[in-house]
This record gives sequence, structure tokens and C-alpha cells, in this order.
Amino acid sequence: EVQLVESGGGLVQPGGSLRLSCAASGFAFSSYWMHWVRQAPGKGLVWVSRINSDGTGTSYADSVKGRFTISRDNAKNTLYLQMNSLRAEDTAVYSCARGWGHDYWGQGTLVTVSS
Amino acid sequence: QSVLTQPPSVSAAPGQKVTISCSGSSSNIGNNYVSWYQQLPGTAPKLLIYDNNKRPSGIPDRFSGSKSGTSATLGITGLQTGDEADYYCGTWDTSLSAWVFGGGTKLTVL
Repeated sequence: EVQLVESGGGLVQPGGSLRLSCAASGFAFSSYWMHWVRQAPGKGLVWVSRINSDGTGTSYADSVKGRFTISRDNAKNTLYLQMNSLRAEDTAVYSCARGWGHDYWGQGTLVTVSS
Repeated sequence: QSVLTQPPSVSAAPGQKVTISCSGSSSNIGNNYVSWYQQLPGTAPKLLIYDNNKRPSGIPDRFSGSKSGTSATLGITGLQTGDEADYYCGTWDTSLSAWVFGGGTKLTVL
């Protein structure tokens, strides 16, 4: 069974940093591109970033470019999102999703940026 | 403001059919495959349709997808109360080098 479990969210002050993790199981993690998607409370889905299967290629939404870094450890079957210089508008549930078409999603981890 | 435009809400009676539109441009829908997602209240999104019109295993054939030019459409027949959810379209935008989602459509089954 495919499972994606996010962790690392929490309350952080503006300007602070967090690192999110997404632990994958039940499939060949190293064969899949992976994405991070966020959803602010009561709002729609917003794509954040993607990484290719071996970690050599990444893309970012303009809103996070230069502040967020996506990475992966295929030996640990884990996807990461390093978030720096956090802003109030980054408050959202952050979910990882598998593959180019996002065929499986995790339940997400809540990031709250507030003083 | 989303790159892909969806109606904020649609509604229909149980057993009826509904369609949800998703409008984009040549840099996204016009030249890339479209996916559709269902998000039931309080749950993670679920892939309903990929590559414009393909259904993942386990998705009933009541759900269908189509694409024409720079627009895509999700169709749901035989509506059930359990279909009440938010529905999102998504695709790659070649100009932005980014995945883009529609703003979402809330389906109410009256």
C-alpha cells in the first residue's frame, strides 16, 4: 500500500525556518518525481515545488523561489522541503504528492507562520 | 487569481449529471495533459482523471474527462450525495515552468 506521511510542521515566527519531511513507503520511491503542494485554510490547492526521481532537477513556484528548497534522500525514501524566510502568507497545510500526475497524496502537515 | 479558471460552484440533484469546466491557455491546457482531483471535506485530494481522460484503478466510470483546445471538462453522472466535494483541475504550464491548479469547484448534490 502506497503511503506518504508528512511531518515537521508547526508554529514559526515570520522570518523563521522549518524543514518538512515526507516519508514514503509501499512503492519504489526512487523511480518517481515528487511534489509539494500547499493549501491555506479554506483555500484551494497551490503547487509549491517538484523534484525529479534522482534529485538532479527541481522547479519552484515564483512565490517560494529563493526561499524554499526541495530535496530527497532515496536511500531513506524521504522527501524534504526546507523553508526559510517564512512569511504569514506561507501558512498552509503542506502535502507531498507522488508522480507527475499526483496520483497519491499525503494527509499534510500544518505550517503556521505567526508572531 | 488562478492560472486555470473553474466555476466556484455547481449543483445538481442526485442521479443527475454535472460538468465542471477548466479554462486555460496554450501554455498549459492547450499543450499538456490535464488531471482532475476530488477533495472530500477534511481529506487529502484524490486523483480522478489523468492524461485528460484516463481513470486510475478504482475510479468508477461515472467520472469522465475531456479536453478541447485550451479547455477541459470533468463530467460526473449518476450523482450521489457522497460526490459532494471540491474538484480541482491541474496541468503543467510550460511558460511558467510550474504545475498549476484551478481555483476549485464546490459540488453540491441537492
